[in-house]
Amino acid sequence: GQQVMQIPQYQHVQEGEDFTTYCNSSTTLSNIQWYKQRPGGHPVFLIQLVKSGEVKKQKRLTFQFGEAKKNSSLHITATQTTDVGTYFCAGSNTGKLIFGQGTTLQVKP
Amino acid sequence: EAGVAQSPRYKIIEKRQSVAFWCNPISGHATLYWYQQILGQGPKLLIQFQNNGVVDDSQLPKDRFSAERLKGVDSTLKIQPAKLEDSAVYLCASSLEIWVEQFFGPGTRLTVL
Repeated sequence: GQQVMQIPQYQHVQEGEDFTTYCNSSTTLSNIQWYKQRPGGHPVFLIQLVKSGEVKKQKRLTFQFGEAKKNSSLHITATQTTDVGTYFCAGSNTGKLIFGQGTTLQVKP
Repeated sequence: EAGVAQSPRYKIIEKRQSVAFWCNPISGHATLYWYQQILGQGPKLLIQFQNNGVVDDSQLPKDRFSAERLKGVDSTLKIQPAKLEDSAVYLCASSLEIWVEQFFGPGTRLTVL
């Protein structure tokens, strides 16, 4: 069945450093969504990418969808302590979202 | 706008007991989802409703789990009987339709002893 893998599983950075998490699907996706889950919280939607090669920015966050629509990345520039949490990608090609296992970001002030 | 409501927030039961969770989605959202999130993992879809019809329940352990969405609004998820491996957070989410952003509720943390 369809699988979505994320790397790395954990990332510790110093405040102000950049952070990137990568997402790979075993199958071509119709769209990919990114969610953020704070410790003890629930997933919160960040963005959806639909087009091949699409790049979207939200302030310090940059999201990319690969040309083959099988991979995606999230890059955070100059991390802040408020960026702490687990970032999930979730891909779909049937209307059903398959979540990756997430990348947990720790930011040292 | 009110978010997705879930109850209870926490539940502790012994194995072989039964438990039920309730979810009230955002008003007007046609699609409702139940996810299971085991500690350290991403949410796993258990069942997806479009109005009051089931769209996908391929990962629902049907020998012990059941879910319904009567009248196409709120929903209940039941586990009977519970096993130790059912310990997890059960998340309910809703969306206007399939293929768009999902709004998650706070979840129910289930501990099976």
